[in-house]
Amino acid sequence: GAGVSQSPSNKVTEKGKDVELRCDPISGHTALYWYRQSLGQGLEFLIYFQGNSAPDKSGLPSDRFSAERTGGSVSTLTIQRTQQEDSAVYLCASSLNRITNYGYTFGSGTRLTIV
Amino acid sequence: QKEVEQNSGPLSVPEGAIASLNCTYSDRGSQSFFWYRQYSGKSPELIMFIYSNGDKEDGRFTAQLNKASQYVSLLIRDSQPSDSATYLCAVNNMGRRALTFGSGTRLQVQP
Repeated sequence: GAGVSQSPSNKVTEKGKDVELRCDPISGHTALYWYRQSLGQGLEFLIYFQGNSAPDKSGLPSDRFSAERTGGSVSTLTIQRTQQEDSAVYLCASSLNRITNYGYTFGSGTRLTIV
Repeated sequence: QKEVEQNSGPLSVPEGAIASLNCTYSDRGSQSFFWYRQYSGKSPELIMFIYSNGDKEDGRFTAQLNKASQYVSLLIRDSQPSDSATYLCAVNNMGRRALTFGSGTRLQVQP
């Protein structure tokens, strides 16, 4: 596609429920990143995928968070047993290759609210 | 110490003035430096990147990098109210696979 597409754009869910967030990167971009941004805060790295390599999960805050990327394209971020502190905007980005010399293109994000 | 530090602001400048945004980083191995602009409620968009010491100009924007002092700055000339946004500094260390972001500086350009 022309840009990074994320869905849903907004999600409100009850504490304790599981949620899935989707990201469709720019066609041809082999690297995909998930970040989250809490209100008034900077971007917190969560996970990185590059091609068929094992993902870098070093930023995932707990084992309730997981992500997968199917066929080297679409990615899903899953949060199990959601907590109120999970409320944030979840941003997906993609880039052409592993070397982030040219920066990322971000999607419009999913605003997640846990009630 | 945060890896990438920015003054949260707000930085308020009058229309037409030069806005100067600063960022310091802790990892001397950092190699690539980026400035993103984020409007309220929107996602970040890349406006500049710089790799080498010195200045890099693109229209009204100039990025400045000083690796010895570990700082990178963004100058916006002839500031416009439409420049009002949060500016995020991001740094790439080739040993890591993802950009590290500062928490951003909020710029307000007063008409």
